[in-house]
Amino acid sequence: DGGITQSPKYLFRKEGQNVTLSCEQNLNHDAMYWYRQDPGQGLRLIYYSQIVNDFQKGDIAEGYSVSREKKESFPLTVTSAQKNPTAFYLCASSMGRGGTYEQYFGPGTRLTVT
Amino acid sequence: GQQVMQIPQYQHVQEGEDFTTYCNSSTTLSNIQWYKQRPGGHPVFLIQLVKSGEVKKQKRLTFQFGEAKKNSSLHITATQTTDVGTYFCAGLNDYKLSFGAGTTVTVRA
Repeated sequence: DGGITQSPKYLFRKEGQNVTLSCEQNLNHDAMYWYRQDPGQGLRLIYYSQIVNDFQKGDIAEGYSVSREKKESFPLTVTSAQKNPTAFYLCASSMGRGGTYEQYFGPGTRLTVT
Repeated sequence: GQQVMQIPQYQHVQEGEDFTTYCNSSTTLSNIQWYKQRPGGHPVFLIQLVKSGEVKKQKRLTFQFGEAKKNSSLHITATQTTDVGTYFCAGLNDYKLSFGAGTTVTVRA
């Protein structure tokens, strides 16, 4: 059963703590992405990776970090430097460069920081 | 920077009626994609338009790409309760895909 998995679905953290969100895909896609979704603001790109061991900042990378050590995995760390971390986080993948190919999205992780 | 604007932000439709949502870009786009996100779900790809003036249909959904490749529209005929959700357009410019804020559709039975 091919697809993208994100875990956990809901995550609660105290302010000041770093937290890592998991994203795994078995679609053999080269490109992977992290988006943040806030009410009324659509999807904003945090980081993207087009190949293993390489990634680029998106529009709102401050306070976030990523790694791409394996083709299948693209974890996102929300650091304590992110001022407003509470949001819905979506991971996506595509066969090639985003926008040229359709993106497949995971079910998302809803992060609440108090 | 590139911006993709969608209007309206909310669309309340009587079941059986038609409606259109619009997507406008400040720059010329290489292509445009449309996604649908059901309440509580994640975005799912609907279609991609590449050519100037292109029109594609999926059952009751008609997608258009403007002649100048700066705008796009999604028209839904005979709205059904299954059409509920948020529709996003995403425009590609210089290898960067930018999502609009979406049009959230509710349906009155």
